[in-house]
Amino acid sequence: DAGVIQSPRHEVTEMGQEVTLRCKPISGHNSLFWYRQTMMRGLELLIYFNNNVPIDDSGMPEDRFSAKMPNASFSTLKIQPSEPRDSAVYFCASSGTPGETQYFGPGTRLLVL
Amino acid sequence: SQQGEEDPQALSIQEGENATMNCSYKTSINNLQWYRQNSGRGLVHLILIRSNEREKHSGRLRVTLDTSKKSSSLLITASRAADTASYFCALTTSGTYKYIFGTGTRLKVLA
Repeated sequence: DAGVIQSPRHEVTEMGQEVTLRCKPISGHNSLFWYRQTMMRGLELLIYFNNNVPIDDSGMPEDRFSAKMPNASFSTLKIQPSEPRDSAVYFCASSGTPGETQYFGPGTRLLVL
Repeated sequence: SQQGEEDPQALSIQEGENATMNCSYKTSINNLQWYRQNSGRGLVHLILIRSNEREKHSGRLRVTLDTSKKSSSLLITASRAADTASYFCALTTSGTYKYIFGTGTRLKVLA
């Protein structure tokens, strides 16, 4: 089992550019989560999906952020336009059973200049 | 806030000693989980304890849960340098799939 796969692992971009982060959950898992981690705010849940449907996006900071899950094996988190305060590590996680163990990807370290 | 609050924020011990970290929360929970995060890596699940359980063991880990006090503790016995990491509690509540993560405890084990 390859685990949760995220790409890219590192992203450096300039303010105003569009950023797309990608995630492939563990096969068979039907819950997918996007988190953001910073020193100041800790680990924040941005959005989660169950069976490809967004269940709660109340953690998405603003309209510049959007997430999709077109099928059970792929999800994207998009930031458009990006700002320096979006710099953080973004994690994707999946779970086979809601509320049970989550499996985290290695994260995408985003730096917006 | 439903967020788990962990204490201490940082802990430094000698190899071979035991490490105890605590998590307090404010809401009713379905279960509580502990995760470890090594520097620059994703979180790794350690142990899950359900609301009707009081204690659980896994190798050198012991977790307790006191729902009346809304608190949990993670004990790592005979610590090793490799246990150096941040440890987070995460709680789930009934009827939702959300995981609420605590603020984390940074553990440093000195060789």
